[in-house]
Amino acid sequence: DAGVIQSPRHEVTEMGQEVTLRCKPISGHNSLFWYRQTMMRGLELLIYFNNNVPIDDSGMPEDRFSAKMPNASFSTLKIQPSEPRDSAVYFCASSLSRVQETQYFGPGTRLLVL
Amino acid sequence: TQLLEQSPQFLSIQEGENLTVYCNSSSVFSSLQWYRQEPGEGPVLLVTVVTGGEVKKLKRLTFQFGDARKDSSLHITAAQPGDTGLYLCAGAPGGTSYGKLTFGQGTILTVHP
Repeated sequence: DAGVIQSPRHEVTEMGQEVTLRCKPISGHNSLFWYRQTMMRGLELLIYFNNNVPIDDSGMPEDRFSAKMPNASFSTLKIQPSEPRDSAVYFCASSLSRVQETQYFGPGTRLLVL
Repeated sequence: TQLLEQSPQFLSIQEGENLTVYCNSSSVFSSLQWYRQEPGEGPVLLVTVVTGGEVKKLKRLTFQFGDARKDSSLHITAAQPGDTGLYLCAGAPGGTSYGKLTFGQGTILTVHP
């Protein structure tokens, strides 16, 4: 059974460019989470969806960040324009439901903004 | 905002030694999870503790949830090089925030052969 799939695995871009990160959750999972991990701040929840609806986006750093979940099998996290301080590893995770709290993480996208 | 403090941040030990990692908060959690993360991969769930005072064992790993559900510990007996990795605790607040985990900063464990 495939786990959470993220693409790309690595992204190097220049400041000011648009970056789009993609996630395919585990089939049948109703909740999807976007996290950012850095050495300084650890693992931070950015936003999470339940049944494709954004439930809590209080962790989204600023308006440059946006996330969508057009259907149950796909989500994107977009940064426009990107800045060097956005460099981090971005993880997507999914869980069966909000009540089922076990989250399954993808392998992450390592983003470097020059 | 609920915060989880993990200690120590770094742990470097020899194979065969025992160790304990602590996860503390001033807030009550409905459950607490421990994850292990290896370089280049996402965190993987090790265990979830739900009841205050609960103790769970996973081979050489023992997890305990504090009576007041504000703290937890992970104890590893006879550590092996394969235990090397980043250990993260995560608390679930419950209620309407169900699913919104708060992660500790993590403990980087290195076990030398």
